[in-house]
Amino acid sequence: AQSVAQPEDQVNVAEGNPLTVKCTYSVSGNPYLFWYVQYPNRGLQFLLKYITGDNLVKGSYGFEAEFNKSQTSFHLKKPSALVSDSALYFCAVRGPGTTGGSYIPTFGRGTSLIVHP
Amino acid sequence: DTEVTQTPKHLVMGMTNKKSLKCEQHMGHRAMYWYKQKAKKPPELMFVYSYEKLSINESVPSRFSPECPNSSLLNLHLHALQPEDSALYLCASSQDLGTAFFGQGTRLTVV
Repeated sequence: AQSVAQPEDQVNVAEGNPLTVKCTYSVSGNPYLFWYVQYPNRGLQFLLKYITGDNLVKGSYGFEAEFNKSQTSFHLKKPSALVSDSALYFCAVRGPGTTGGSYIPTFGRGTSLIVHP
Repeated sequence: DTEVTQTPKHLVMGMTNKKSLKCEQHMGHRAMYWYKQKAKKPPELMFVYSYEKLSINESVPSRFSPECPNSSLLNLHLHALQPEDSALYLCASSQDLGTAFFGQGTRLTVV
C-alpha cells in the first residue's frame, strides 16, 4: 500500500521569508511524487513532480521540491514567500504502476499555507 | 494546453432531482477520473476510466453513475442524492501513468 504524510495542518510564514511544506511517503518500488496547490473553491493545480533524475525539482511560481530517498521525503520549498502563495497544498505519491504499486495517486491530507504580509 | 473543463461550476439540486456533471479534455489523455472533495480535505477517488472503460469504482453508491461517451468526455449522472453528497466534484485526466491534471470542479449543493 502507498501512503503520504503531511505532518503539518498549517504553516505560517512571513512574506519574503523562505517556506517549507513537509511531505513523507511510503510506496512499493520507485515513487512518482507530485505537489499540487488548491486555492479556495478551485481545482487542484499541478506544481511539480519527481519521477527520476535530479533530486531537486523546479516547478511553477518559483516553487521547488527536494527528493530524499533515504528519508522518504519530498518537501516543497520556496526561497521567498508571497501573500498570494497562501493556499492549500497537497503532496501525492503513486507507485510505478505495472512493476509495483498502484498507478493511482494517493494524496496527503493537505497543508494550509498562510503567508502574512 | 493542460486544460480540463468542468460544467457547471455550481449546482444546487433537490434530493429527487436528476442532474449531470460534465468534464471535457482535449489533451489526448486516455485516463479520466472523478473525485469528491470535502472542505479542507484531500480529494477522494470515485471512478477511473481507462481507454473509455470503467477500470475502478471505489464502492461509490449507485446514485452516482459515471459515463464516458468518448475519449474526451466524462459525465457523472446524479440521482436521488443526499445532503451529505454536497461537495466539490473534481474531474482529472492523465496520459496513461503520467501527471493527473484537474478541472476547476463543480460545487454541488444538495438541498
